Amino acid sequence: NAGVTQTPKFRVLKTGQSMTLLCAQDMNHEYMYWYRQDPGMGLRLIHYSVGEGTTAKGEVPDGYNVSRLKKQNFLLGLESAAPSQTSVYFCASSKPQGAGGTEAFFGQGTRLTVV
Amino acid sequence: GENVEQHPSTLSVQEGDSAVIKCTYSDSASNYFPWYKQELGKGPQLIIDIRSNVGEKKDQRIAVTLNKTAKHFSLHITETQPEDSAVYFCAASSGAAGNKLTFGGGTRVLVKP
Repeated sequence: NAGVTQTPKFRVLKTGQSMTLLCAQDMNHEYMYWYRQDPGMGLRLIHYSVGEGTTAKGEVPDGYNVSRLKKQNFLLGLESAAPSQTSVYFCASSKPQGAGGTEAFFGQGTRLTVV
Repeated sequence: GENVEQHPSTLSVQEGDSAVIKCTYSDSASNYFPWYKQELGKGPQLIIDIRSNVGEKKDQRIAVTLNKTAKHFSLHITETQPEDSAVYFCAASSGAAGNKLTFGGGTRVLVKP
């Protein structure tokens, strides 16, 4: 039972380069999220999705785009990477509250360094 | 939007002692309060949660208390063990539009043998 899988686990980018982070979940969850984790700041929500084909902005969306073409996948894109986007990125998924659960299941994270 | 403050940022305890982490939240509509444990190099993992219709919840050595009036909730770990060393995060959610979680800044707990 894989849960939430993130690809890649590590990446180094040069300023201005683009990349896509992939998140896949096998729990049939409706909701998916992308967070970034910076020292002393906890986890901050970048974008989220409440279902296939829908996305919404979170707390810190600037510089990122997302897509959810399939229920099980949630992609996070950086069009032109900046050093300020150096961080650890976490994907998570959950069921709607009405469905009896709100626990968010997290992936192992992607450590991104922009030089 | 919601704002969650967490204290302390670091906590060092002797093995066998208790550890307490406190969080406050700002949005009175929040009704779900989970606690996550993050070990080095891993993603956060839920250890206990509480909903707004409950004042206290226990699971073996961990317990969470909630004071809705004061808008604060706390994590209590008793009889700490070295494997309790990790970073702990509190969070809050109102359940609206995607069950978005707002996290506190985290507490690094070190249990000394």
